[in-house]
Amino acid sequence: SQQGEEDPQALSIQEGENATMNCSYKTSINNLQWYRQNSGRGLVHLILIRSNEREKHSGRLRVTLDTSKKSSSLLITASRAADTASYFCATDPYNNNDMRFGAGTRLTVKP
Amino acid sequence: EAGVAQSPRYKIIEKRQSVAFWCNPISGHATLYWYQQILGQGPKLLIQFQNNGVVDDSQLPKDRFSAERLKGVDSTLKIQPAKLEDSAVYLCASSLDQGWEQFFGPGTRLTVL
Repeated sequence: SQQGEEDPQALSIQEGENATMNCSYKTSINNLQWYRQNSGRGLVHLILIRSNEREKHSGRLRVTLDTSKKSSSLLITASRAADTASYFCATDPYNNNDMRFGAGTRLTVKP
Repeated sequence: EAGVAQSPRYKIIEKRQSVAFWCNPISGHATLYWYQQILGQGPKLLIQFQNNGVVDDSQLPKDRFSAERLKGVDSTLKIQPAKLEDSAVYLCASSLDQGWEQFFGPGTRLTVL
């Protein structure tokens, strides 16, 4: 079964706007990771945030983690057409080591 | 540094035939994963190895799927016999250790006719 659930399923914005995607999960985790997948390509790791961290930045990416709500968000600022991709969250559960991916958010950035 | 290698990139077979996929992880990575990704869905973990031992294979359909990681390096995933619903992209990933950042290969796109 999948652990993370992304929301929304699809998001369409204009270039330059910000995009926010959310991930909810069910069990306690060691860490949560966000990945990007361009159409027909493999997944690329974006950010890993540990359970004792609340926020992390990488370039135009900002990830937050709220363990009390079992949720995370990925913010992409000043989006570009090249950001068009599917974004997945993956959780590393606390009581075992098998990663679980959500169904993803399909982001479309219009030029 | 070389990435995760997978072969073949594409495979078309008829149902009830067998097929095998190969994965070469990044050198030094202890953990290796096989995922199945059906079109429009997220990757589903099939099996996870830590060195040459199986950590989790709870979602592997063991009546038809098998995987091994001899010597804790390369890995093969086999399907025998294939069904129509096995049509998907099979992704291999590796990480330094369990729970760390995963590096994915390009995947093998399997079509079962």
